[in-house]
Amino acid sequence: DGGITQSPKYLFRKEGQNVTLSCEQNLNHDAMYWYRQDPGQGLRLIYYSQIVNDFQKGDIAEGYSVSREKKESFPLTVTSAQKNPTAFYLCASSPGPWRSGANVLTFGAGSRLTVL
Amino acid sequence: EDQVTQSPEALRLQEGESSSLNCSYTVSGLRGLFWYRQDPGKGPEFLFTLYSAGEEKEKERLKATLTKKESFLHITAPKPEDSATYLCAVQGGSEKLVFGKGTKLTVNP
Repeated sequence: DGGITQSPKYLFRKEGQNVTLSCEQNLNHDAMYWYRQDPGQGLRLIYYSQIVNDFQKGDIAEGYSVSREKKESFPLTVTSAQKNPTAFYLCASSPGPWRSGANVLTFGAGSRLTVL
Repeated sequence: EDQVTQSPEALRLQEGESSSLNCSYTVSGLRGLFWYRQDPGKGPEFLFTLYSAGEEKEKERLKATLTKKESFLHITAPKPEDSATYLCAVQGGSEKLVFGKGTKLTVNP
């Protein structure tokens, strides 16, 4: 079955450490996204990529980095510069870029990061 | 700036008690309004897309409607398995999706 796989599901990090969250999709979607979800807040966009080898900052990109070397993969690195990284991270994909109108997002199951 | 406000924040219903969730929005040039369902500890699951005022879509016990300023998600005769957080999102002229904070629905048997 097609879908998005995020790993790990749970991750614990010590302060000062960088961690990388994996996101893989087999839907043949062009666009991929990373969102952060905190209790009582809406989903906030971290980074997005609408085509391979290209990505843009979202609303809360500080302290995060991404790469998009393959169509099916969009890993997110949470760096030590992110002041409050404890959150639920969601990866998503859509068939085409926002401009195309193919905007229905398919989400992964999420990764919960806790900073100790 | 595009904005989405969902109300109420939380809603408790008895099984079979119909109700509605509200999503109010301000956006420059609506391209689409989206409803998602999210179960605890999981990613959101797509329900509906609405594009223009007056449009309605249905799926089982759920019906979504759209006006120029808000959308309603009507739940008819809900069952406990309808318990979840329902998220609303809009896409406007900026092209990015903007999500509301969600409504947590609990349906008691």
